[in-house]
Amino acid sequence: DTGVSQNPRHKITKRGQNVTFRCDPISEHNRLYWYRQTLGQGPEFLTYFQNEAQLEKSRLLSDRFSAERPKGSFSTLEIQRTEQGDSAMYLCASGEGAVSNQPQHFGDGTRLSIL
Amino acid sequence: QKEVEQNSGPLSVPEGAIASLNCTYSDRGSQSFFWYRQYSGKSPELIMSIYSNGDKEDGRFTAQLNKASQYVSLLIRDSQPSDSATYLCAVTLIQGAQKLVFGQGTRLTINP
Repeated sequence: DTGVSQNPRHKITKRGQNVTFRCDPISEHNRLYWYRQTLGQGPEFLTYFQNEAQLEKSRLLSDRFSAERPKGSFSTLEIQRTEQGDSAMYLCASGEGAVSNQPQHFGDGTRLSIL
Repeated sequence: QKEVEQNSGPLSVPEGAIASLNCTYSDRGSQSFFWYRQYSGKSPELIMSIYSNGDKEDGRFTAQLNKASQYVSLLIRDSQPSDSATYLCAVTLIQGAQKLVFGQGTRLTINP
């Protein structure tokens, strides 16, 4: 069990640039989630995949944000035209089975800094 | 009212004492409850899950759930300096909902 893997660990970019993050969930975990966490706050839900289907998106996920999980394995989160307010830790989590009462396990996150 | 509320602390406890962390939630229909530990700069790590009223013990950790009072707590016995971290309460608010709703976390410091 290698855990949830996220890349890159850190990303520094200028405002207006596009960025893409990758998440590799725990093997055979059907459920995959993206969260965003800012300093001093708990993680906030962004979006959820069951296998390759994106089943839920938060209002936080503006049209500049897009997420994919094309083959039901790894996922990518892209932010277009980044803004200062996008600076945060982006966390990916995965869970086994199809029901929400199975715990979610988090990766180490990608810390995004917008200059 | 926030959906999941925690006292942000900091909570300071002497080494060897019991640390008590509390969390309340707004939706009476909430189903699943989790405690995560987060060290500074690291990702949340699951330490306890609880689904039914009562106590659940795992080593030095005990989770307590009272659905009538919409209250979940975490007790850490024999606190160690390595327990110093932020503790996040997370809830799935409605049946079938997949997302976790987190409180803002309680910062716990164990003093040697």
